[in-house]
Amino acid sequence: GQQLNQSPQSMFIQEGEDVSMNCTSSSIFNTWLWYKQDPGEGPVLLIALYKAGELTSNGRLTAQFGITRKDSFLNISASIPSDVGIYFCAGLFSRNTNAGKSTFGDGTTLTVKP
Amino acid sequence: EAGVAQSPRYKIIEKRQSVAFWCNPISGHATLYWYQQILGQGPKLLIQFQNNGVVDDSQLPKDRFSAERLKGVDSTLKIQPAKLEDSAVYLCASSLALVRFFGPGTRLTVL
Repeated sequence: GQQLNQSPQSMFIQEGEDVSMNCTSSSIFNTWLWYKQDPGEGPVLLIALYKAGELTSNGRLTAQFGITRKDSFLNISASIPSDVGIYFCAGLFSRNTNAGKSTFGDGTTLTVKP
Repeated sequence: EAGVAQSPRYKIIEKRQSVAFWCNPISGHATLYWYQQILGQGPKLLIQFQNNGVVDDSQLPKDRFSAERLKGVDSTLKIQPAKLEDSAVYLCASSLALVRFFGPGTRLTVL
């Protein structure tokens, strides 16, 4: 099946620093989703991207849908301790026989030191 | 708006035993998913329902896993018999369109 490569696998940063993580694939997706998962909880949607080249912000979070449709980036500005968690990307197909199918990356674990 | 509900939150069983998980999706969401999340990995789809019909169960180990969604609302996922490698978090999600909304998951430990 399709595979998403998410990097980096983990990050240790100081409070106030900016964070950048990305997802790449050999497959072309029609939608990219970014989720955050806290310990003991399910993933929570952060940002949804529906169009190649789209840049979307949600507070301190900014995500971009790569022009090739094979990658996506998530940036967090001015990190705070509650940003700690695992960030997952998911690529979705919305057309043809694969419509609705999704693949998740293996996550980027973020640790923020106060 | 109430989110996706799952129970139990935790379950510990011995190998070869049976276990069942329950999920109640967000009201009005026609699509329901069961994912398996092994520690250190992202969620992997097991089965997808559209109303009470199965859309995709290609990754479901059908010799031991089964799922149903009678009446197109609640769903149950069963493992019989469990193996050690089934230890994972089982996430239920629902959607109206493409975006999946996840429940808190059931953490299964098989000893």
